[in-house]
Amino acid sequence: GAGVSQTPSNKVTEKGKYVELRCDPISGHTALYWYRQSLGQGPEFLIYFQGTGAADDSGLPNDRFFAVRPEGSVSTLKIQRTERGDSAVYLCASSLRGGLAGWDEQFFGPGTRLTVL
Amino acid sequence: SQQGEEDPQALSIQEGENATMNCSYKTSINNLQWYRQNSGRGLVHLILIRSNEREKHSGRLRVTLDTSKKSSSLLITASRAADTASYFCATAGTGGFKTIFGAGTRLFVKA
Repeated sequence: GAGVSQTPSNKVTEKGKYVELRCDPISGHTALYWYRQSLGQGPEFLIYFQGTGAADDSGLPNDRFFAVRPEGSVSTLKIQRTERGDSAVYLCASSLRGGLAGWDEQFFGPGTRLTVL
Repeated sequence: SQQGEEDPQALSIQEGENATMNCSYKTSINNLQWYRQNSGRGLVHLILIRSNEREKHSGRLRVTLDTSKKSSSLLITASRAADTASYFCATAGTGGFKTIFGAGTRLFVKA
């Protein structure tokens, strides 16, 4: 079956602009995660959804970052007033049951490379 | 800050040799997972070990977990050039919902 998909694969924007990054999880997966990864580092947790609700958004760096998952499937990560420091690869992952199953295997998408000029 | 810390940061071995990577973490965990990342396939889950397990095998992979030392190791036996990648440990804590990744071990297997 289809894996996790993310669009766009690359996004170049100017400082101060607004961007939206989209994640399509594997069908039937209730848990969805967003991470960002800088060069040479491991993925950094941003937010975790169980169904439609954000169960843990403690990784969002500040209030310029927001994510939604209105129907419990597709999720959008929104970044307002982008800054150069936001440049990174944004990764999305989904898992079948997430915390409801004591944390299960996460399937990652290919990521969106965001560059803020 | 990252909870998992992998050691070594980089490892270069010959094909056929074994590779061992270690991971340490700081707080109580529900489970620990190992992932591999290379440019061709992105992040791929390798193995999950729960806090009540001590050892787990999957093909050429062997993972151990010592909760008293808050550490885990990943052993890849009979390495292949295709094993060249970055390897990350990730912990799912008992006190929240975060999955925390370490900075990774970069493995290079020479053919």
